[in-house]
Amino acid sequence: SQKIEQNSEALNIQEGKTATLTCNYTNYSPAYLQWYRQDPGRGPVFLLLIRENEKEKRKERLKVTFDTTLKQSLFHITASQPADSATYLCALSRFSNDYKLSFGAGTTVTVRA
Amino acid sequence: AAGVIQSPRHLIKEKRETATLKCYPIPRHDTVYWYQQGPGQDPQFLISFYEKMQSDKGSIPDRFSAQQFSDYHSELNMSSLELGDSALYFCASSPRVAGTGELFFGEGSRLTVL
Repeated sequence: SQKIEQNSEALNIQEGKTATLTCNYTNYSPAYLQWYRQDPGRGPVFLLLIRENEKEKRKERLKVTFDTTLKQSLFHITASQPADSATYLCALSRFSNDYKLSFGAGTTVTVRA
Repeated sequence: AAGVIQSPRHLIKEKRETATLKCYPIPRHDTVYWYQQGPGQDPQFLISFYEKMQSDKGSIPDRFSAQQFSDYHSELNMSSLELGDSALYFCASSPRVAGTGELFFGEGSRLTVL
């Protein structure tokens, strides 16, 4: 069966450090992979999208890599700030013309001042 | 900028009652998705609509039904509510043709079944 797995434990880091989150998937050939941020009781907010033929994407302090051979994506938050504390969700879509997403369980990041 | 609007934000119902959630997508977004997120769980896809037609179906119970109206707003109807239906229900929208792949989520409707 298809499975999307993220860091199983919460991530606690010191302000200014880089947070690295992992998303692994099995039995899946996604057209693209996305990362969302979710604060408690709020809706997910889109951060970055990377397509199957792309290796890396950057947006401000965020960086995503996508390795379709390893079936893995890494999500980096550089120069982390307490405001980055949230749950980060990895999401996959199988088709480029269908935006239905399958989500991972998420990784909760806490940035200490 | 206009966002996805969901109502009500909070809803408390008794077992076996019926609930209706509403979603108003971003203007010019023709596709709507419904997700259910239980406590501490990832969002689970329920159903989607494109141009008022059901486009995909996920793990939606038979007790639930949904539709998209001519103004593109969508409603999720839940009947014979069970305790396990207590969750956050998110609606998301996107423009199918001109979209970039990202989904725009509403703030969710929190359903509590007592």
